[in-house]
Amino acid sequence: EAGVVQSPRYKIIEKKQPVAFWCNPISGHNTLYWYRQNLGQGPELLIRYENEEAVDDSQLPKDRFSAERLKGVDSTLKIQPAELGDSAVYLCASSDRTEQFFGPGTRLTVL
Amino acid sequence: AQSVTQLDSQVPVFEEAPVELRCNYSSSVSVYLFWYVQYPNQGLQLLLKYLSGSTLVKGINGFEAEFNKSQTSFHLRKPSVHISDTAEYFCAVSRLSGAGKSTFGDGTTLTVKP
Repeated sequence: EAGVVQSPRYKIIEKKQPVAFWCNPISGHNTLYWYRQNLGQGPELLIRYENEEAVDDSQLPKDRFSAERLKGVDSTLKIQPAELGDSAVYLCASSDRTEQFFGPGTRLTVL
Repeated sequence: AQSVTQLDSQVPVFEEAPVELRCNYSSSVSVYLFWYVQYPNQGLQLLLKYLSGSTLVKGINGFEAEFNKSQTSFHLRKPSVHISDTAEYFCAVSRLSGAGKSTFGDGTTLTVKP
């Protein structure tokens, strides 16, 4: 069974540029999460989806971050414009309701 | 609200020695508890989880953890570590209700020396 797929794995951009990350969850998992992991810290939840509905986006900086999960499967997380402080690893996870399965993450570097 | 405190940011240990990584949590509701391992440039991999039942939980790679409700702890142990266990370890809690919004600790770096 394929795991959670994320792309790209690495992204380097200049500040004020836009960037997008893509996630394909494990088949059949209705719950999808986006986390941000800063260097030396644990992951912090940005947004959680139940199917196509965002049920928890309280930690998402809505002035520059947006996310969507059309058709309740794949998801895209966007930052526009990116700031230096957005440099981090962005992790996607999906859940079978008792356990989360994580993708490898996208390492974003903002110069 | 829930929070997780990993009491040691770095744990150096010699190969074949035992190790314990400590985790305390706080929550106003009942929780699930998890330990994850993260190798460099990789995502998180589940080591073990406590959902209910026996408080001693066995996981992959010879790790085990014990849930102590009175002390709100979930410490991770391994009786004999290998060089390959060198990694970052994260403790996490998730509310029983809903689909598991997890709160993570800041991680413990385990370094196994020859």
